[in-house]
Amino acid sequence: IAGITQAPTSQILAAGRRMTLRCTQDMRHNAMYWYRQDLGLGLRLIHYSNTAGTTGKGEVPDGYSVSRANTDDFPLTLASAVPSQTSVYFCASSLSSGTNEQFFGPGTRLTVL
Amino acid sequence: AQTVTQSQPEMSVQEAETVTLSCTYDTSENNYYLFWYKQPPSRQMILVIRQEAYKQQNATENRFSVNFQKAAKSFSLKISDSQLGDTAMYFCAFMRYNAGNMLTFGGGTRLMVKP
Repeated sequence: IAGITQAPTSQILAAGRRMTLRCTQDMRHNAMYWYRQDLGLGLRLIHYSNTAGTTGKGEVPDGYSVSRANTDDFPLTLASAVPSQTSVYFCASSLSSGTNEQFFGPGTRLTVL
Repeated sequence: AQTVTQSQPEMSVQEAETVTLSCTYDTSENNYYLFWYKQPPSRQMILVIRQEAYKQQNATENRFSVNFQKAAKSFSLKISDSQLGDTAMYFCAFMRYNAGNMLTFGGGTRLMVKP
């Protein structure tokens, strides 16, 4: 049982490039989330999806987009990366939007130069 | 909007002793959930303990317990009999009731357990 997987583990990216961070869960959870973690700021919600086919904006959505074509996958795309998007990105999931425990993936460390 | 504040960026404790991590939050909501997450050097986020605001009894999970003071909007974490494996970042988090499961995190406290 893998739980939540994220790819890549880490990435160095040139500014202006497009990048997609992948997230897959095998728990058949309906709700999924993307957070970014920055020193002193904790984790901040970027986007979320309560069920396949729907998405919503979190606290810091600018510069990011997501899609939820099926239950298992929730990719996060940076259309044109900027240095301020250097961060550690966590994907999470929960059984439903009404269930309060979230399970987190291992994270992706992204550096934008 | 909700805010969560952890006023102790770093703390240390001797092995086997007790340590308390502080967390305060600001909200106008009456129903909500509070959480403590642990992030060891492996980077994995692990749920330590959670508290429903409507429950007066403080949550306890083995060596971890909370002191929930709703009127003061305070939610501290007590770790008893500290172990080396407790060394980690600890995040306090808030979730509104029926708000799509979105978590608001504090900035974190880095805890070092010394042998």
